Amino acid sequence: DIQMTQSPSSLSASVGDRVTITCRASQSISSYLNWYQQKPGKAPKVLIYATSNLQSGVPSRFSGSGSGTDFTLTISSLQPEDFATYYCQQSYSTPRTFGQGTKVEIK
Amino acid sequence: QIQLVESGGGVVQPGRSLRLSCAASGFTFSSYAMHWVRQAPGRGLEWVALISYDGSHKYYADSVKGRFTISRDSSKNTLYLQMYSLRDEDTAMYYCARDGELLTLDYWGPGTLVTVSS
Repeated sequence: DIQMTQSPSSLSASVGDRVTITCRASQSISSYLNWYQQKPGKAPKVLIYATSNLQSGVPSRFSGSGSGTDFTLTISSLQPEDFATYYCQQSYSTPRTFGQGTKVEIK
Repeated sequence: QIQLVESGGGVVQPGRSLRLSCAASGFTFSSYAMHWVRQAPGRGLEWVALISYDGSHKYYADSVKGRFTISRDSSKNTLYLQMYSLRDEDTAMYYCARDGELLTLDYWGPGTLVTVSS
């Protein structure tokens, strides 16, 4: 099974900050990497699919990059509604494993 | 619009069984693969199972293999998760999700809570 490791597990940031979350796969997954945002008490929603493609309706301050085993989610200017937990997930093979999550909190 | 609504959760004793349902609407259910994903209280997301669009292929996480069965009824636009031999560690919110374009889970239901407790 492919293991997905996110870092950091949590971070504190201020509105307007640039935030970067990394995700590493235990083997190459090409560009089969998705990012999800989850707010407390809600289902996750997809932000980015296939490494760098923005899901319809997602603000352009979100971006993704990477390939192979190393991937990044960047929020260019953190907004109040972005405080949430973010998960990466590989869709290269089953089981479709998730990272452990990164909680973005208000500083 | 596209909707997924889970049901069937509740409190169940260890070793017992439970069947979850996910009613789909707003899209051609028989054209899409579907997933179950769960989240234990205060924990991260855990992928549970996947069924192909026609039900011919099924995949499971090791943690549920042999105990859970995913199935679908396209005449009812409904996805199921039959859970047997439930354990304390199966306590979680269970979400169904659609396998969308480019292999992303693009629509999710609000979830149904399963609590395994004596």
